[in-house]
Amino acid sequence: GNSVTQMEGPVTLSEEAFLTINCTYTATGYPSLFWYVQYPGEGLQLLLKATKADDKGSNKGFEATYRKETTSFHLEKGSVQVSDSAVYFCALRALSGSEKLVFGKGTKLTVNP
Amino acid sequence: DVKVTQSSRYLVKRTGEKVFLECVQDMDHENMFWYRQDPGLGLRLIYFSYDVKMKEKGDIPEGYSVSREKKERFSLILESASTNQTSMYLCASSSSGTGTRNEQFFGPGTRLTVL
Repeated sequence: GNSVTQMEGPVTLSEEAFLTINCTYTATGYPSLFWYVQYPGEGLQLLLKATKADDKGSNKGFEATYRKETTSFHLEKGSVQVSDSAVYFCALRALSGSEKLVFGKGTKLTVNP
Repeated sequence: DVKVTQSSRYLVKRTGEKVFLECVQDMDHENMFWYRQDPGLGLRLIYFSYDVKMKEKGDIPEGYSVSREKKERFSLILESASTNQTSMYLCASSSSGTGTRNEQFFGPGTRLTVL
């Protein structure tokens, strides 16, 4: 079946450190891939997405590249801020015409000043 | 600004009670979803609806039902609440059209505690 595996948290970094959160997926066909972010006390919001192989999604300094050969969609940011502290979810939309998303378990990031 | 609202942020109920969680979206979206979020398990889909009066089971529908009488409103019903239904419940909606296709917009969540 379709699934998403992302690195276990929690992740704790100092401000201005480099961030990588790994995400790999299993799916039939060619899924669309997403990163969602959940700030404390809030619902999820879309951070970035990529809909085909080699696409790079980017937003707010975060980037992720859709790698079909490694079935990965790792999230990166060159210099994190305290305000980036949140839970990050990797997700896929597997089938054409289906609106369902499959989520990873989430990775909690804490950035210290 | 797009908006998904949920009727309560926090809810405390007793075992055996019937519980209604309401979700309203103002974006004229065709699709609506109910998830539960638990530590270490991420988000799991309970039910979704792709049109008024239409519904489909997600991954964990047991113990839940849904109602969609109007396009903008999607209700989650716990017929007889149990302690293992204590969780954060998230509603989402999405369009089936182009443009914002694929993106789900989420409400702020309802934290339900069943005693």
